[in-house]
Amino acid sequence: DAGVTQSPTHLIKTRGQQVTLRCSPKSGHDTVSWYQQALGQGPQFIFQYYEEEERQRGNFPDRFSGHQFPNYSSELNVNALLLGDSALYLCASSRRPRQGPSWETQYFGPGTRLLVL
Amino acid sequence: QKEVEQNSGPLSVPEGAIASLNCTYSDRGSQSFFWYRQYSGKSPELIMSIYSNGDKEDGRFTAQLNKASQYVSLLIRDSQPSDSATYLCAGGYGGSQGNLIFGKGTKLSVKP
Repeated sequence: DAGVTQSPTHLIKTRGQQVTLRCSPKSGHDTVSWYQQALGQGPQFIFQYYEEEERQRGNFPDRFSGHQFPNYSSELNVNALLLGDSALYLCASSRRPRQGPSWETQYFGPGTRLLVL
Repeated sequence: QKEVEQNSGPLSVPEGAIASLNCTYSDRGSQSFFWYRQYSGKSPELIMSIYSNGDKEDGRFTAQLNKASQYVSLLIRDSQPSDSATYLCAGGYGGSQGNLIFGKGTKLSVKP
C-alpha cells in the first residue's frame, strides 16, 4: 500500500519565480492538507482540499494557491517567491470521517525542500 | 490565537530511562491531540493520537491528556538511541476534519 508521495524532493528557485509542488495521497484517502515547515519550527497549516475545493486556509497570502484533481492528488503553487518561502513543504492526507464529528489521522509525505535564492 | 507550546529542549536522557515530553495548548476548542516524531531531514511520523482525558498506552509510548489543565504529555519508556529525534505535539482544530496546530517540537537525545 503506497503511502503519501510528493514531488519533487528538492527544488531551487530564485526570488520572483513561481513553483508547483505535487502530492498523491495514501490509497483510500480523499483529503489533502499542505503545511510549511521552516527550519527549527513546527509545520504551519497552509490549506486543505476536499472534493476538489479549498475547505480551510491558514494565515498565508494568496500567493499560495492550490488545486485538487478528481483522483484526489493535489498541487501547491507559490507565485512571486520570496527568500522567506524557503522551507520544507509537507503534504498530509487523510480520510473524511464517515460518521459524526470524529478525527481522522493525517499522514505526511516525505516533503519537498524548497530553497529560494 | 490557537497555540501549542512545547519546551524546545534539547532533552537528554540515558539509554533505558524514561523520557517525558510535555505540551500545553491555549484553545479549549481542540478535542484531538497527536504526537509526531521527526528525524532530522525527514517528515513527521505519527506516534500516538489521544482524544479523551487520561492515559493511552502503545508499546513503550504513553500519551496523557488533561483537558482541564490543557496539558498533553508523552512518556517514552526504556528509551533507545533510535528514539533520538524531534517530537512534535499537535492539536486538531476545525471540527471533524480540520487542521493541525503544531508546537515547535522538543529535541530528544538518548545517550548510549
